[in-house]
Amino acid sequence: DAKTTQPTSMDCAEGRAANLPCNHSTISGNEYVYWYRQIHSQGPQYIIHGLKNNETNEMASLIITEDRKSSTLILPHATLRDTAVYYCIVRVADQTGANNLFFGTGTRLTVIP
Amino acid sequence: DGGITQSPKYLFRKEGQNVTLSCEQNLNHDAMYWYRQDPGQGLRLIYYSQIVNDFQKGDIAEGYSVSREKKESFPLTVTSAQKNPTAFYLCASSARWTGKQTQYFGPGTRLLVL
Repeated sequence: DAKTTQPTSMDCAEGRAANLPCNHSTISGNEYVYWYRQIHSQGPQYIIHGLKNNETNEMASLIITEDRKSSTLILPHATLRDTAVYYCIVRVADQTGANNLFFGTGTRLTVIP
Repeated sequence: DGGITQSPKYLFRKEGQNVTLSCEQNLNHDAMYWYRQDPGQGLRLIYYSQIVNDFQKGDIAEGYSVSREKKESFPLTVTSAQKNPTAFYLCASSARWTGKQTQYFGPGTRLLVL
């Protein structure tokens, strides 16, 4: 699996957009980009994933560069409840069964009142 | 409600004792996983199972054992051979053929060695 690089920590003012970057320069053509987050002492929560095109759901938007070597997770209006560790993961999504996600250390996002 | 449950939330183990952590899901998922998380670190895969009666070692399987006798259940036993068992343990599941590989996580069990 391609390795990812994320900043260790970021701050964001409440109500502003939080933009979390991720570098995955060795990503291969069939690897998806996934984002999860983990609020303190809870299990990780799936946010969004994408392959080539930008994606949006009720939680966030995912912007993937044209060369797919980096991506940005956008939380459009950050709230205090968005304070968490955010993990960027790249992984092949195939049909052969269970696949394992490699969680690095992620980015600790702190939303400030 | 559909989801994954883990019990207990906190578990204490004495030196040399085996303990079993429970994980149950009612999402009808084929695949289940166990991860370990140490303070300030990411998750590391212990074991995973694609279907009933089958499971595979992850990156840090030594000192752990699992079983998958039912689709809904994937218990993890931390044996006395695991020398540093104090950690946060997370169970997850995913639908096998979805292609999305979205994993859903339980609330976790925090294991402390006395």
